[in-house]
Amino acid sequence: AQSVTQLDSQVPVFEEAPVELRCNYSSSVSVYLFWYVQYPNQGLQLLLKYLSGSTLVKGINGFEAEFNKSQTSFHLRKPSVHISDTAEYFCAVLSGGYNKLIFGAGTRLAVHP
Amino acid sequence: DTAVSQTPKYLVTQMGNDKSIKCEQNLGHDTMYWYKQDSKKFLKIMFSYNNKELIINETVPNRFSPKSPDKAHLNLHINSLELGDSAVYFCASSQVLGGGETQYFGPGTRLLVL
Repeated sequence: AQSVTQLDSQVPVFEEAPVELRCNYSSSVSVYLFWYVQYPNQGLQLLLKYLSGSTLVKGINGFEAEFNKSQTSFHLRKPSVHISDTAEYFCAVLSGGYNKLIFGAGTRLAVHP
Repeated sequence: DTAVSQTPKYLVTQMGNDKSIKCEQNLGHDTMYWYKQDSKKFLKIMFSYNNKELIINETVPNRFSPKSPDKAHLNLHINSLELGDSAVYFCASSQVLGGGETQYFGPGTRLLVL
């Protein structure tokens, strides 16, 4: 069965500092991987996704992620965060042929001035 | 203009009541989903419909019954509400089944059972 582990439940960081949110997945088949962001009291918004091809994926709001098959990881990075990046971030893997998203437990990014 | 909309946004009700949540998407997508987010923010799929046909039914109590009158709508009816049903319920849609299509989420319905 596929699963996703987000290694940090909370990540505090100062404004303009770089950040990395870690995600590991387990899957015995080819994977499609996603990062979603949830701002307070809102729905989920897609940041980026990996389907195939280049292992470095660029998304919205300056975020990028790198797919590493040997380490089964899909870490999310941003070189310089803003206060407005404060949110919950979810890593997810697509399971099987029915578009079932399996989510990690989420990482709360808190950006401080 | 909203892509995936849900009503109501907030729902407060008593244990034992029956309630419905409605979802509509104007993206022309074929597939719709219901997810549940618990108090610890954990997200889990409940149901998925493709062209009005149920294709995913996770181990959800049969008090929960989804209904899809057409491709653009997926409603969730909950009978005999329990305290543990308190959560945020998200509707989502995607263009086709399979292939890594992006799922677009609604704003959520915050259900509180007293």
